[in-house]
Amino acid sequence: GQQLNQSPQSMFIQEGEDVSMNCTSSSIFNTWLWYKQDPGEGPVLLIALYKAGELTSNGRLTAQFGITRKDSFLNISASIPSDVGIYFCAGPRGNTGKLIFGQGTTLQVKP
Amino acid sequence: DTGVSQNPRHKITKRGQNVTFRCDPISEHNRLYWYRQTLGQGPEFLTYFQNEAQLEKSRLLSDRFSAERPKGSFSTLEIQRTEQGDSAMYLCASSPGDLVEKLFFGSGTQLSVL
Repeated sequence: GQQLNQSPQSMFIQEGEDVSMNCTSSSIFNTWLWYKQDPGEGPVLLIALYKAGELTSNGRLTAQFGITRKDSFLNISASIPSDVGIYFCAGPRGNTGKLIFGQGTTLQVKP
Repeated sequence: DTGVSQNPRHKITKRGQNVTFRCDPISEHNRLYWYRQTLGQGPEFLTYFQNEAQLEKSRLLSDRFSAERPKGSFSTLEIQRTEQGDSAMYLCASSPGDLVEKLFFGSGTQLSVL
């Protein structure tokens, strides 16, 4: 079936460092979404990307939609402790909220 | 607007028992989705409704699972004869139409089957 592969699986960084994570797919997506999930909560949308090559920022977060439409990456600059959580990429199948999620990248930030 | 609400937040049950979860979507969101998430994995789609009509069911949704949205507002997800493999977080999400950027998730129901 369709899969999204995220890397790295986990990261442990020092506060203030920049972070980069990516997501690849074997099939094309027309939209890429990045979510953050805190323990015991549902995912919260961070950034949505709609066009190949698009670069979008949301505060300290920047995400890009790959030219091939089969990948995307998320950067977090100057990390802070509240960035701790699991980051998921996702892509919709069809014109619905039926999303395919990656396995997640777990981020830990040391103060 | 209080967001997507799910109850209960936690449920512990014995194998073989039936359980029912409830989801109250954001008002006026006509689409409602159920996902399941196991530890270390991303959420997996189970089923979705447009108003009261159930439009799609995943192969993950065995015949022990049933979901309803009788009046096009809240939804229930029932699992009959629970098995230990059903232990997971069950997430509900809602959206106004097919706008994925307007898809909001609830906090989930954590099910533990002993």
